[in-house]
Amino acid sequence: DQQVKQNSPSLSVQEGRISILNCDYTNSMFDYFLWYKKYPAEGPTFLISISSIKDKNEDGRFTVFLNKSAKHLSLHIVPSQPGDSAVYFCAASASFTGGGNKLTFGTGTQLKVEL
Amino acid sequence: EAGVTQFPSHSVIEKGQTVTLRCDPISGHDNLYWYRRVMGKEIKFLLHFVKESKQDESGMPNNRFLAERTGGTYSTLKVQPAELEDSGVYFCASSISGRPGKLFFGSGTQLSVL
Repeated sequence: DQQVKQNSPSLSVQEGRISILNCDYTNSMFDYFLWYKKYPAEGPTFLISISSIKDKNEDGRFTVFLNKSAKHLSLHIVPSQPGDSAVYFCAASASFTGGGNKLTFGTGTQLKVEL
Repeated sequence: EAGVTQFPSHSVIEKGQTVTLRCDPISGHDNLYWYRRVMGKEIKFLLHFVKESKQDESGMPNNRFLAERTGGTYSTLKVQPAELEDSGVYFCASSISGRPGKLFFGSGTQLSVL
């Protein structure tokens, strides 16, 4: 039973355009959401997060949107750059579990930014 | 500042053998986690230490897996005896308290059980 779902295993975007990565969740207890980026042979690195009390959080070229009623979040990268090519994992946590640090991850979306 | 270090980076063993993975967290991080990614699937939680105590081990697959964190510093994850389905990438992560969800991951140990 996967509680965090990333239905697109891969996405290809041209350099300079917008990349939109999507994530759906089923557990209503999740109240904190994160995106991690992973390069080959490296561990995931934190990218951006959003609390359930907000519907948008922006950090430079990266923006995360949260739609609680639809249990859906998305990551927008604009403009996309070749260095953004990586696997992006959506993750969620519930604050009552281990201080919010027990993360439930999706299966990841491989983003390829082409020249 | 050194990041999270995991050793070995790769391990190939035969079914029935024992393997021990090691993780050195970032200095000063009280929280230490083990996660596993199998065959390109999701990254799954195994367990969480706060200092030397196990806070949550609900993700440990079975009693063939034993995790320790002596003195609240480095941690080891032992698999004994290893089975084919234990193959995957084992990630260790650490964090400071009060920053929900922001974990620092190591590069992982690729475990192959033949």
